[in-house]
Amino acid sequence: GEDVEQSLFLSVREGDSSVINCTYTDSSSTYLYWYKQEPGAGLQLLTYIFSNMDMKQDQRLTVLLNKKDKHLSLRIADTQTGDSAIYFCAENPADSGTYKYIFGTGTRLKVLA
Amino acid sequence: DAGVTQSPTHLIKTRGQQVTLRCSPKSGHDTVSWYQQALGQGPQFIFQYYEEEERQRGNFPDRFSGHQFPNYSSELNVNALLLGDSALYLCASSREHGQPQHFGDGTRLSIL
Repeated sequence: GEDVEQSLFLSVREGDSSVINCTYTDSSSTYLYWYKQEPGAGLQLLTYIFSNMDMKQDQRLTVLLNKKDKHLSLRIADTQTGDSAIYFCAENPADSGTYKYIFGTGTRLKVLA
Repeated sequence: DAGVTQSPTHLIKTRGQQVTLRCSPKSGHDTVSWYQQALGQGPQFIFQYYEEEERQRGNFPDRFSGHQFPNYSSELNVNALLLGDSALYLCASSREHGQPQHFGDGTRLSIL
């Protein structure tokens, strides 16, 4: 089946690290994405990883992938108030013929000053 | 380098009416996908257009239709609007499969 699950809320203090988790169900090789959505806006691509990788780092962002458990996480170092937003995990199976992204319901991150 | 642009930003319609939403892809992108995002939910895939053809469709009724033009821009049409069609409609563009989709800011459609 197709399902991407995320926890609904996360609250952290400014300067701490945030870890947002996601589980997916597709068993084939797949692309996995993290998007950020601020109020009234569209989705901003943050980073992405292919399922043959375990980790990807991009400035304050670190993506970890546990393919065996189908678990993806996004770590934001030194979280700032501007990081407050909804974060979506999305999956896109790499098999030909499947082009849609399957999104989770989003994790609302609140950063406390 | 302009990103994905959508118009209009907001739209109010009544039940039974028809609506057309527009999208211009990011420069260099030839594939356009449409998503519906209900309040408090993640985006749901409606369909994708490539080379002016609908390449894949999600679980949406035939009231939802689309078009892609030779310049890669796209339209989403919804007929016989229902209250449940109230949502944020997002357009995303991309290059080849595996390259990430880039999203516009969406059109917020409200049905009265």
